[in-house]
Amino acid sequence: DAKTTQPTSMDCAEGRAANLPCNHSTISGNEYVYWYRQIHSQGPQYIIHGLKNNETNEMASLIITEDRKSSTLILPHATLRDTAVYYCIVRVNSGYSTLTFGKGTMLLVSP
Amino acid sequence: GAVVSQHPSWVICKSGTSVKIECRSLDFQATTMFWYRQFPKQSLMLMATSNEGSKATYEQGVEKDKFLINHASLTLSTLTVTSAHPEDSSFYICSARQRQGRKDEQYFGPGTRLTVT
Repeated sequence: DAKTTQPTSMDCAEGRAANLPCNHSTISGNEYVYWYRQIHSQGPQYIIHGLKNNETNEMASLIITEDRKSSTLILPHATLRDTAVYYCIVRVNSGYSTLTFGKGTMLLVSP
Repeated sequence: GAVVSQHPSWVICKSGTSVKIECRSLDFQATTMFWYRQFPKQSLMLMATSNEGSKATYEQGVEKDKFLINHASLTLSTLTVTSAHPEDSSFYICSARQRQGRKDEQYFGPGTRLTVT
């Protein structure tokens, strides 16, 4: 699976949009971009995933560049409960591929 | 959404004893389950992949005789840490894969905090 690069940490004010970038310049054509987050001492929580089109759900939006070499996770109105480590992962959706976690981005949402 | 549970949520055991952790997919069948380990301030590291009815596949550096995995049914996988030592103290997280039609997602349990004294 392709490797991803994320900033170590980011800050965001409560109520503002949080934009978390991810670089995956070696992504293959059949690899999806997944985002998970992990709140302290809990298991990872699925947020969103996409292949090449932008995606939106009740939690977040995922913007994937046209060349698919990078993406941005957008939390439109961050709350204190969004403070967590956010992981961007690329994975093929077939066979026995699994999720390989990097170091992620520690997002701190402040009042 | 799909729910994965783990039991116990935390456990303290003495060095040399064995501990069993259960992972259950509550509302779906999971032919594949995964076990991860996470040390403080580090990311999740995959330990092994477990397929129902067959032997688990362990990642490099993970001792299969120490971390026994059993995936006897489509909703239950167990991880037994045998002869636990303080260095085995960690946060153990399981994950279950749901494949249904075009859907192929992986859901995580809440984790089990193991402390070996």
